[in-house]
Amino acid sequence: SAVISQKPSRDICQRGTSLTIQCQVDSQVTMMFWYRQQPGQSLTLIATANQGSEATYESGFVIDKFPISRPNLTFSTLTVSNMSPEDSSIYLCSVLDMGLTGELFFGEGSRLTVL
Amino acid sequence: AQKVTQAQTEISVVEKEDVTLDCVYETRDTTYYLFWYKQPPSGELVFLIRRNSFDEQNEISGRYSWNFQKSTSSFNFTITASQVVDSAVYFCALSDPNFGNEKLTFGTGTRLTIIP
Repeated sequence: SAVISQKPSRDICQRGTSLTIQCQVDSQVTMMFWYRQQPGQSLTLIATANQGSEATYESGFVIDKFPISRPNLTFSTLTVSNMSPEDSSIYLCSVLDMGLTGELFFGEGSRLTVL
Repeated sequence: AQKVTQAQTEISVVEKEDVTLDCVYETRDTTYYLFWYKQPPSGELVFLIRRNSFDEQNEISGRYSWNFQKSTSSFNFTITASQVVDSAVYFCALSDPNFGNEKLTFGTGTRLTIIP
């Protein structure tokens, strides 16, 4: 199983600022995923981050708003740019277990509140 | 397009009662995976099960059981003899066959409250 650490666990941000969320995995993984969970809502995939290539964004999400870095096989960052109150969400990093379970492991999430 | 429907937004039951959480999915693909995740108040997502679309056998794990029926596109989750620690939001999810297991479409979740 993979252990995923996210920083920060929570933050309160001002409108118009940007915040970078870090995701560290205890093993090397090919693909990392970033999900958003808006208050009381389900999870929505933002993008898929492969090491050494540009992230692949889902419909409704753009690189200018959510730039992603993937410098190595154990680390990724997601930046939420020019934040507005609508960006208040939990942002979750996840990785795929390539073993038998096919489980998608999730970090504990970063809870952002934008004032 | 894929879709997962969890019609029950919130359920409350008294401790020790059995409870079933419904999940209905839509997909055009014949090969896919279905998942259930638990999200307790602490926020982390806990993997419960993954089921291959070709395996329709029901599964039991302790107090948890899952009923997969392709004929009705349902993958329901039953907790037997519920406990307060079962209180959480439960998500059903469906894999995107183009990506394998990694890209999941989640339902809107069912908030389960177990009353002591």
